[in-house]
Amino acid sequence: KQEVTQIPAALSVPEGENLVLNCSFTDSAIYNLQWFRQDPGKGLTSLLLIQSSQREQTSGRLNASLDKSSGRSTLYIAASQPGDSATYLCAGGYGGATNKLIFGTGTLLAVQP
Amino acid sequence: DGGITQSPKYLFRKEGQNVTLSCEQNLNHDAMYWYRQDPGQGLRLIYYSQIVNDFQKGDIAEGYSVSREKKESFPLTVTSAQKNPTAFYLCASRDSSAYGYTFGSGTRLTVV
Repeated sequence: KQEVTQIPAALSVPEGENLVLNCSFTDSAIYNLQWFRQDPGKGLTSLLLIQSSQREQTSGRLNASLDKSSGRSTLYIAASQPGDSATYLCAGGYGGATNKLIFGTGTLLAVQP
Repeated sequence: DGGITQSPKYLFRKEGQNVTLSCEQNLNHDAMYWYRQDPGQGLRLIYYSQIVNDFQKGDIAEGYSVSREKKESFPLTVTSAQKNPTAFYLCASRDSSAYGYTFGSGTRLTVV
């Protein structure tokens, strides 16, 4: 069964700290791994997408890595800001052309000013 | 601006009633998806459609129905057969030549 797990479920850090969010997946036949941000009561905003042939992707203060052999992905946030407070979801893309996403349960991040 | 519009933002359903959630996109995306989000359970796939007039069941399709008569529209009907419909519903679309998803802002459905 394809499952995606995120640890920790919640994280609180002081402003300015660098942090890492973890995502693990059981099925290594993954086509891509996506990270999303969700603000309370809102939809999902795409942050980074890593293809299975890639090792990492970067956007501004965000860096995501993918290790298929170990079934892990990490999202690194540099110099965190209160505006980064949100729930972060990772999702594994499976099925090739259909690219069905299997979601983790998310990490709720609070950055304290 | 291109995007996905979900309506209404909030919806209340009485016992035994069918309700329809709207999802419209102007991104010219081929594929569209409906997900359900419950607290602590992440998002689960209800239905998806890769082309007009075709759709497939996801992991939790029981009690739901969809149609895809136009490329831009993918409405979801929550039927009376769905015993626990209270949840946050998210619609998404994707260009068939790419893997990145675009999500709508969601509809929160509550049974009263």
